[in-house]
Amino acid sequence: GAVVSQHPSWVICKSGTSVKIECRSLDFQATTMFWYRQFPKQSLMLMATSNEGSKATYEQGVEKDKFLINHASLTLSTLTVTSAHPEDSSFYICSASLAGRDTQYFGPGTRLTVL
Amino acid sequence: ELKVEQNPLFLSMQEGKNYTIYCNYSTTSDRLYWYRQDPGKSLESLFVLLSNGAVKQEGRLMASLDTKARLSTLHITAAVHDLSATYFCAGGDDKIIFGKGTRLHILP
Repeated sequence: GAVVSQHPSWVICKSGTSVKIECRSLDFQATTMFWYRQFPKQSLMLMATSNEGSKATYEQGVEKDKFLINHASLTLSTLTVTSAHPEDSSFYICSASLAGRDTQYFGPGTRLTVL
Repeated sequence: ELKVEQNPLFLSMQEGKNYTIYCNYSTTSDRLYWYRQDPGKSLESLFVLLSNGAVKQEGRLMASLDTKARLSTLHITAAVHDLSATYFCAGGDDKIIFGKGTRLHILP
């Protein structure tokens, strides 16, 4: 149980375009989902926390107008990277939990490359 | 805000040897996590430690938590090549803060 999927697993796009990444909890309802970014050989950095039906809470330094997060249902959260640039190239990982304090289950990640 | 520090950041060791990865954290945390990450992959949950003195073991890996010292350790016993990976500790309540990770390379 507690499986989290992400789609796509990898994406290549041109600079200036927008990319949407989906995060789904397959066998449980996730009240809270988290989005992380990981640059090569670095740690995971929390970008934002989203609760179903409410606005996401962004970490300091993360542009909310650039990284749009929608958590429309208890099983789906989306991250849209708007007007992507090469510096946005990274590994994006989502996680989901039943409540804010419970164990987080991580998705397999999405590798974004912006040309 | 919680800060999590791991050491060492890089570790190259021979098969069959024992070693320990240390994780210090700056403020109280209800729980301490250990994760494994293989290259190009996401995280695999290894342990969740919930209380002072907690010790958990899985195969050649054993994790412990000392909340008074704000220290967790991940001990590797008789390392094998398959354990080569990056290991992260993380802590936090409502959100998880990760350490920088320990890149472990076990030489056959």
